[in-house]
Amino acid sequence: AQSVTQLDSQVPVFEEAPVELRCNYSSSVSVYLFWYVQYPNQGLQLLLKYLSGSTLVKGINGFEAEFNKSQTSFHLRKPSVHISDTAEYFCAVTSGAGSYQLTFGKGTKLSVIP
Amino acid sequence: SQTIHQWPATLVQPVGSPLSLECTVEGTSNPNLYWYRQAAGRGLQLLFYSVGIGQISSEVPQNLSASRPQDRQFILSSKKLLLSDSGFYLCASRTSANTGELFFGEGSRLTVL
Repeated sequence: AQSVTQLDSQVPVFEEAPVELRCNYSSSVSVYLFWYVQYPNQGLQLLLKYLSGSTLVKGINGFEAEFNKSQTSFHLRKPSVHISDTAEYFCAVTSGAGSYQLTFGKGTKLSVIP
Repeated sequence: SQTIHQWPATLVQPVGSPLSLECTVEGTSNPNLYWYRQAAGRGLQLLFYSVGIGQISSEVPQNLSASRPQDRQFILSSKKLLLSDSGFYLCASRTSANTGELFFGEGSRLTVL
């Protein structure tokens, strides 16, 4: 079984400040990892994904994440946030080929303060 | 690229009434399709998934059911809604058989009164 823990349910941050949203996972097999963003009353949009290769993954809107196998983490970072980044962010994990399930964390609400 | 249509976008229903939420997918064939529910503070809960026409797997015992009458159509139903059925329902399609990545629709918000 696999699981995802997003350690912070809410993260307030001032505009133009850096932010890190934390995600830890547990799985007994190799994993693929994802970050999704959800704006109010909308569906989820893929921000970035780690499948293999370089552990530093760059996504849309200036976000990046680093896969750390030893710490079973996949934290999301942005060096300077904008008001438009205010949204809920979900970390997700799957064991990949043959797996039908994508397991999500409970989400982190990022609030950017002007 | 894929497009997922969900309707209705918003629905207010009384307790005990029936429900039908529809999802259709364009731009792909034979997708794996999923219904998720999002309740406040509870993240995303997988309700059903389907690997093909007429094939439905239920992840959580529910007051809900799902059907897949056509390759790119996925329907979520209930005969009698409960207050606890309120939430934001998301349909998703698997974009890659190898990575498990999902593509989501815009969601349907259900309020049961």
